[in-house]
Amino acid sequence: DQQVKQNSPSLSVQEGRISILNCDYTNSMFDYFLWYKKYPAEGPTFLISISSIKDKNEDGRFTVFLNKSAKHLSLHIVPSQPGDSAVYFCAARRGGGNKLTFGTGTQLKVEL
Amino acid sequence: NAGVTQTPKFQVLKTGQSMTLQCAQDMNHNSMYWYRQDPGMGLRLIYYSASEGTTDKGEVPNGYNVSRLNKREFSLRLESAAPSQTSVYFCASAREWTEAFFGQGTRLTVV
Repeated sequence: DQQVKQNSPSLSVQEGRISILNCDYTNSMFDYFLWYKKYPAEGPTFLISISSIKDKNEDGRFTVFLNKSAKHLSLHIVPSQPGDSAVYFCAARRGGGNKLTFGTGTQLKVEL
Repeated sequence: NAGVTQTPKFQVLKTGQSMTLQCAQDMNHNSMYWYRQDPGMGLRLIYYSASEGTTDKGEVPNGYNVSRLNKREFSLRLESAAPSQTSVYFCASAREWTEAFFGQGTRLTVV
């Protein structure tokens, strides 16, 4: 039972345009959400997070939006750069817990 | 500051062999984790340790054992390796309620 879903395995975007990566979850007990970025042959690195008490969090070019009623979050990257080409994982944590449940990832390719 | 260090980086095992993957963190984190990454499956939790002296099963614990040796170290043991355990293994650590930091990974092939 996949509790965190990333339905798009890949996404291709032109440099300078907006990249939008989507994530859906089924467990209403999740109250903290994170995005990780992963380059080949490296470990995932933390990018940005959002608590369920917020609906938006921004950090430079990266913004995460949370729609609790739809159990949906998205990561916006503006403007996209070639160095953003990586696999992006969405993750979620239950309230009071310390386990992260990950999605299957989306491969982003930013083209020149 | 090394963060999370995993050894080895690569390993090839024959079916039935055993091995231990080592992980150490220098961030004084209480929580430590072992994940495996497989194509199309994302990162799946094998075992985790909320604090020194405690361990709990994750989503895919079968075929693995863990030891939380002290606050810094969390090892993963494969007692009798199977081809289905061919994967990339990641160790991670976290303070409570914050993001997890990952090691560089161990690429394991079981033939």
